[in-house]
Amino acid sequence: QVQLQESGPGLVEPSETLSLTCTVSGDSISSYYWSWIRQPPGKGLEWIGYVYYSGSTNYNPSLKSRVTISVDTSKKQFSLKVTSVTAADTAVYFCARVNGGNPNYYFDYWGQGTLVTVSS
Amino acid sequence: DIQMTQSPSSLSASVGDSVTITCRASQSISRFLNWYQRKPGKAPKLLIYAASSLQSGVPSRFSGSGSGTDFTLTISSLQPEDFATYYCQQSYSTLWTFGQGTKVEIK
Repeated sequence: QVQLQESGPGLVEPSETLSLTCTVSGDSISSYYWSWIRQPPGKGLEWIGYVYYSGSTNYNPSLKSRVTISVDTSKKQFSLKVTSVTAADTAVYFCARVNGGNPNYYFDYWGQGTLVTVSS
Repeated sequence: DIQMTQSPSSLSASVGDSVTITCRASQSISRFLNWYQRKPGKAPKLLIYAASSLQSGVPSRFSGSGSGTDFTLTISSLQPEDFATYYCQQSYSTLWTFGQGTKVEIK
């Protein structure tokens, strides 16, 4: 059974960098895309971007200038960095595995989510 | 961007009712449409992929249909554990987008 677990600070100060890591267990990190999705309080889901196990990435254009997603296959982890955060970046952040094939992609395994609050 | 619009935004139903949620894309997305269930404090759960394929382990009372711009998720006999928020998501474009969600509440 594939399991994903997010980790990282729950509180980030405005203008700082939000950093989260997702650890994958139960399956290989290779041959899949791995994604980050977030949900602000009271709002819907927003796809942030994905990283392929090879390191190639694709980001939501609305966040592209501030987001970096990277992968460390040796540790079976992938990470998210969001720079220059504001209160609008306060959200529950989910990591997820992407399955399917071009262009029919879907998120079949998700982490439990971690709340990140941007506040001083 | 491909905009995904769900209707209704919320609905009230009773256990045993049949429920249908609609998702409309701002342009044709063929059948590249997925459905998720989200309960408070829980991770979203994949229900349907490619418009009508049931994810392994998901009860058969869930079904999906549609193609092009109009899609539906149907729950044939609502169970207590089905009260949740449902989201559609498209992967046709390189910018993957979700609908705004439909909250299914107990009547």
